[in-house]
Amino acid sequence: QVQLVQSGAEVKKPGASVKVSCKASGYTFTSYGISWVRQAPGQGLEWMGWISAYNGNTNYAQKLQGRVTMTTDTSTSTAYMELRSLRSDDTAVYYCARDGRITMVQGVIITTANAPDAFDIWGQGTMVTVSS
Amino acid sequence: EIVLTQSPATLSLSPGERATLSCRASQSVSSYLAWYQQKPGQAPRLLIYDASNRATGIPARFSGSGSGTDFTLTISSLEPEDFAVYYCQQRSNWGMYTFGQGTKLEIK
Repeated sequence: QVQLVQSGAEVKKPGASVKVSCKASGYTFTSYGISWVRQAPGQGLEWMGWISAYNGNTNYAQKLQGRVTMTTDTSTSTAYMELRSLRSDDTAVYYCARDGRITMVQGVIITTANAPDAFDIWGQGTMVTVSS
Repeated sequence: EIVLTQSPATLSLSPGERATLSCRASQSVSSYLAWYQQKPGQAPRLLIYDASNRATGIPARFSGSGSGTDFTLTISSLEPEDFAVYYCQQRSNWGMYTFGQGTKLEIK
């Protein structure tokens, strides 16, 4: 079945980096994008960024620009999210989600045919705790 | 950045009642408006995309409507499993997403 399986929980010290993986199965990885969303304890959802599994194009949330990098490995159908210079307010559950946006061409969003243009499949979440 | 404001913050209803959740955008959004349901300890689940299209496997009691800046998620007759937090989401023309702050639907 279609699923995204994320790596396990992490505990990091302030200033360190974390890299979370998200392995896709059950669909053609390069026909979709992957968005990353985080949720601090007791808080709402915050979109972090998107990567095209087709060509590696990225969009990052402005507040995370310079600290986050998203990559993919199409040979293993895996997406990665690395967050650097961790702070205590980065403590959150991090989710990857399949995104119907394949890529952007000259500012035009290209979406997957016959699939929701939304986050239709989610990983189980990865808890990242930042504490000294 | 487009801000999405959801109301009410908390909605207290009984099973069998009709629920109406609102999502208002700070400026007109494209056709991309999605709704998600999240239960404690679980990942969000897609309910509605493109403002009014039900995702695969979503019961017909869930419906979405609206355009421009005002959107609504309606649950026609609440089932016990519908009590959860609901989020709306939009995508700007340049590919940036935002979520509303959520509406908690609780049992009265």
